[in-house]
Amino acid sequence: EMQLVESGGGSVQPGGSLRLSCAASGFMFGSYWMSWARRAPGKGLEWVAIIKEDGSEEYYVDSVKGRFTISRDNAKNSLYLQMSSLRGEDSAVYYCATLSLTGIGGRGFFDYWGQGTLLTVSS
Amino acid sequence: DIVMTQSPDSLAVSLGETATINCKSSQSVLYSSDKRNYFAWYQQQPGQPPRLLIKWASTRESGVPDRFSGSGSGTDFTLTISSLQAEDVAVYYCQQYYAAPITFGQGTRLEIK
Repeated sequence: EMQLVESGGGSVQPGGSLRLSCAASGFMFGSYWMSWARRAPGKGLEWVAIIKEDGSEEYYVDSVKGRFTISRDNAKNSLYLQMSSLRGEDSAVYYCATLSLTGIGGRGFFDYWGQGTLLTVSS
Repeated sequence: DIVMTQSPDSLAVSLGETATINCKSSQSVLYSSDKRNYFAWYQQQPGQPPRLLIKWASTRESGVPDRFSGSGSGTDFTLTISSLQAEDVAVYYCQQYYAAPITFGQGTRLEIK
């Protein structure tokens, strides 16, 4: 059974940093594009970052470019999101998800999601 | 960026009745070379992660009840939920994957009347 388990969320002050992790099991992690998406309180879904199977391509939503870095360790079946210069508007539940790629530029749909981890950015 | 606009923002439907949610994209998401609509629907039940319901505008994901159906092409799409059940209470999102960056609609909240 495919499983994605996020961890690392918590409460951080504005300007701070945090790293989220996602442990994958039940599928060939190294054969999948992976992504992070988020849902802020009272708002809709937003994709955050996408990474190719071998980590050679990364894509970011404009609002996090230069502040967030997605990475993966296929030997550990793990996905990461390093977040820095955090802002209040980054507060959200962050989800790890598999991406079925349908075109260049990291385009695709998200076919399996983890349960999410909550990030709160507040002073 | 392609803007996805859902309507209504929320709706309440009686058990056993049909719910209809619409999504309009600011430009066509129909790819001429393969005649496919690069469009998906997701369901997010309370306290749960999102779940892919429909891809390619009308292809139900494995395990999704046939009460859920997707239709439309180009810029206008519809998610129809027939014989509404209590577990269908959720926020529903549309998404385009025709052009980067991929974008979601704002969501439609479905409740039981």
